[in-house]
Amino acid sequence: GAVVSQHPSWVICKSGTSVKIECRSLDFQATTMFWYRQFPKQSLMLMATSNEGSKATYEQGVEKDKFLINHASLTLSTLTVTSAHPEDSSFYICSAREGGKGEKLFFGSGTQLSVL
Amino acid sequence: GDSVTQMEGPVTLSEEAFLTINCTYTATGYPSLFWYVQYPGEGLQLLLKATKADDKGSNKGFEATYRKETTSFHLEKGSVQVSDSAVYFCALNQAGTALIFGKGTTLSVSS
Repeated sequence: GAVVSQHPSWVICKSGTSVKIECRSLDFQATTMFWYRQFPKQSLMLMATSNEGSKATYEQGVEKDKFLINHASLTLSTLTVTSAHPEDSSFYICSAREGGKGEKLFFGSGTQLSVL
Repeated sequence: GDSVTQMEGPVTLSEEAFLTINCTYTATGYPSLFWYVQYPGEGLQLLLKATKADDKGSNKGFEATYRKETTSFHLEKGSVQVSDSAVYFCALNQAGTALIFGKGTTLSVSS
């Protein structure tokens, strides 16, 4: 089946630094990728939707200058948390929609970010 | 806006017990409904789905029926196994847009 690889699976960083999370579709072309964030015991909240080659669409309340999303190719999207602070500590997960396949969504394994 | 509410966990069961995890939704139109599962250390996986009213999704012994009259999509399994221990998420979407998730329910099955 289709596979989405997300890397790294966990990262610890100092406050003020930037962290990049990669999401790759390994065996299909992902025309659309979604980035979610999950706080402990909370639901997965959609942060942004990115379409290959265009700017990401951010959900209300998500700072686009803080959470930079790049979807430069059909197999790779990146989320960069800039100037991370402890409140950015969370579980981030991406999902990819296979082009032309309607509702088929595949998820990465997630990234646990801890900002000290 | 659209939303999903699922029962709080954790749910703790003995092996071979009957499982129900309740899920209700609020949505305009006619969403598709999903159950996703996240096993320890792994990513989310689609467990089953239903795209219209009265549809029943089923997979690995799990079932859920799309009930429009009660806006529900409860997950059931007749006999759980230790290997079913995971976090289960109910979700919906409209017309291929991003999924909207419930908070997740942790299931722990002991032998």
